[in-house]
Amino acid sequence: DAGVTQSPTHLIKTRGQHVTLRCSPISGHKSVSWYQQVLGQGPQFIFQYYEKEERGRGNFPDRFSARQFPNYSSELNVNALLLGDSALYLCASSLDYHQYNEQFFGPGTRLTVL
Amino acid sequence: DQQVKQNSPSLSVQEGRISILNCDYTNSMFDYFLWYKKYPAEGPTFLISISSIKDKNEDGRFTVFLNKSAKHLSLHIVPSQPGDSAVYFCAASTEYSGAGSYQLTFGKGTKLSVIP
Repeated sequence: DAGVTQSPTHLIKTRGQHVTLRCSPISGHKSVSWYQQVLGQGPQFIFQYYEKEERGRGNFPDRFSARQFPNYSSELNVNALLLGDSALYLCASSLDYHQYNEQFFGPGTRLTVL
Repeated sequence: DQQVKQNSPSLSVQEGRISILNCDYTNSMFDYFLWYKKYPAEGPTFLISISSIKDKNEDGRFTVFLNKSAKHLSLHIVPSQPGDSAVYFCAASTEYSGAGSYQLTFGKGTKLSVIP
C-alpha cells in the first residue's frame, strides 16, 4: 500500500509569492495534519482536518490556510511568502482525529523562499 | 515557550550498548506521549507511545518510561544497532478546547549515532 504522498518534493519561491502544497493520505485515512519543520527544530503543528472540516489550528498567521477534499486529500496554501516560511512542510494522515490514532508522515515538501 | 524539551542535541553510543534519550515537558495537561524516529529525506516514523496512566511501555528493544511528577520521559533502546542512527523526536498531545482537537507538540530532536 502507498504511504502518504506529498507534492512537490522541492519548491523555490520569492518573497510575496503564493504557494500550494499537496498531500494524499493513506487509503482509508480521513484525517490530515500539516506541520512546519524549520531547520534545527521539531515539527510545529499548523492544521488538522477531518472529514473536510478544520479540527485544529496551530499558532500560525492567517496567511496560512488549508482545505481537505472529498477524497480526503489536502492542500496547504501560504500567501505573501516571507523568508521565514522556508522550511520542510510535513503532512500526516491518520484514521481519524483522535490522538490515539497513529499519524503517518509523508516525506515532506522542502520550500525555499528567496 | 517550548513545552517539550530535548536538551541533548546529539548522543553517541557503541553498538550493543543502551541508548537513553531524554525529554522534559512543562504542560501538565499533556496526557499522551510519543517518540518518532526520522531518517534524512524521510518523514518521521512512529516508534512507541505511552499514556499518562502508565509509567512504562515496552515494544521489543524500545522502552519508554514516564515520570509524571518530574514531567520527564525517556526512551531506552537495548541493544543499540547501527540502523538506529537517526534523529529522535519526543512529542506530546492533549485535547484542546474540549472540542476533540488534538495537536502534537514536538521537541527539537536528538540525533543518535550508534557506532559499530
